[in-house]
Amino acid sequence: DAKTTQPTSMDCAEGRAANLPCNHSTISGNEYVYWYRQIHSQGPQYIIHGLKNNETNEMASLIITEDRKSSTLILPHATLRDTAVYYCIVRVALADKLIFGTGTRLQVFP
Amino acid sequence: NAGVTQTPKFQVLKTGQSMTLQCAQDMNHEYMSWYRQDPGMGLRLIHYSVGAGITDQGEVPNGYNVSRSTTEDFPLRLLSAAPSQTSVYFCASSFTGSPTEAFFGQGTRLTVV
Repeated sequence: DAKTTQPTSMDCAEGRAANLPCNHSTISGNEYVYWYRQIHSQGPQYIIHGLKNNETNEMASLIITEDRKSSTLILPHATLRDTAVYYCIVRVALADKLIFGTGTRLQVFP
Repeated sequence: NAGVTQTPKFQVLKTGQSMTLQCAQDMNHEYMSWYRQDPGMGLRLIHYSVGAGITDQGEVPNGYNVSRSTTEDFPLRLLSAAPSQTSVYFCASSFTGSPTEAFFGQGTRLTVV
């Protein structure tokens, strides 16, 4: 599985969009980009995934660059409850293993 | 719908003791896995299973055993606990063979003294 690089930490004001970047320059054509988050010490929670098209669901949007070497997770209106560690993971389509890095710690402030 | 259930939530062991962490899921998922998370770190894969009777090692398998006799259950056994195994353990499950989400349990916080 391709490696990912994320900033260690980010801040965001409540109500503003949080844009979390992820670099995956060695991604292969059959690898998906997944995002999970971990709030405090709870189990990780799935957010969104994509292959090459941009994706949106009720939680977030995922923007993948055309060359697929990087992506951005967007939380359109961050709330205090979005404070968490966000993990960007690259995963082969038919594989099941999730390999976590250290993630980005997002702090949403009032 | 319970999802992924882990027991116990907290456990203190003495060095050398053995114990089993339980994980059960009610979503008929084929794939199940165990992770450990040390303070300030990401999750590391210990063992995983793609179906009943099939298990394989992850990134950090030493000191742990698993078995998968049913689709629902995937217990993790510590054979002889060591202080280095103090960690939070998470179990996860998902369907196999398609890009889908994994569901995680709420974790077991284990301290080995």
